[in-house]
Amino acid sequence: DQQVKQNSPSLSVQEGRISILNCDYTNSMFDYFLWYKKYPAEGPTFLISISSIKDKNEDGRFTVFLNKSAKHLSLHIVPSQPGDSAVYFCAASALGQGAQKLVFGQGTRLTINP
Amino acid sequence: DADVTQTPRNRITKTGKRIMLECSQTKGHDRMYWYRQDPGLGLRLIYYSFDVKDINKGEISDGYSVSRQAQAKFSLSLESAIPNQTALYFCATSDLIAGGPIEQFFGPGTRLTVL
Repeated sequence: DQQVKQNSPSLSVQEGRISILNCDYTNSMFDYFLWYKKYPAEGPTFLISISSIKDKNEDGRFTVFLNKSAKHLSLHIVPSQPGDSAVYFCAASALGQGAQKLVFGQGTRLTINP
Repeated sequence: DADVTQTPRNRITKTGKRIMLECSQTKGHDRMYWYRQDPGLGLRLIYYSFDVKDINKGEISDGYSVSRQAQAKFSLSLESAIPNQTALYFCATSDLIAGGPIEQFFGPGTRLTVL
């Protein structure tokens, strides 16, 4: 049973526009969420996170929104740049339950077109 | 130098062979993890270790074993490799911060092909 789902395997966006990547989860115990970015031949690198006590966290061009009632989070990248082309994974954890394990989604491949 | 290193980076082996993938870290973290990545399935947790004396099974541990030789080293073994273990394998580390952020730091990955 996939507890964290990224239903869009791929997304193509024009340079300068907004990229919106979506993630849904089913486990109501999840209270901490992270986004990772992965380039080919490299390991995933941490991008941004959000705790369930917040509904928004912003870091430069990257903003993560959390809708707890819908069990949905999204990552907004604006403006999108060619270097943003990568696979993006969302991940979740039940930190409040003492669990430091992460559960990952399937990933979304983002392509930024010039 | 990279904080989390994995060896080998690429390996091709045959069905039935024993394979060991090694992970070393210089971050001083207590917690280490092994994941595999398959197309369309994301990263799935194989084993994790919260300190040298602690080993835990993850989501997909069957067919794998691990050894935590030191705080800095965590090895993954496939005792008898089979083709459906062909995947990209990642090691990760995280710090122990009670109630704190749980960012994990990943190695560059090992691409394993079992023929």
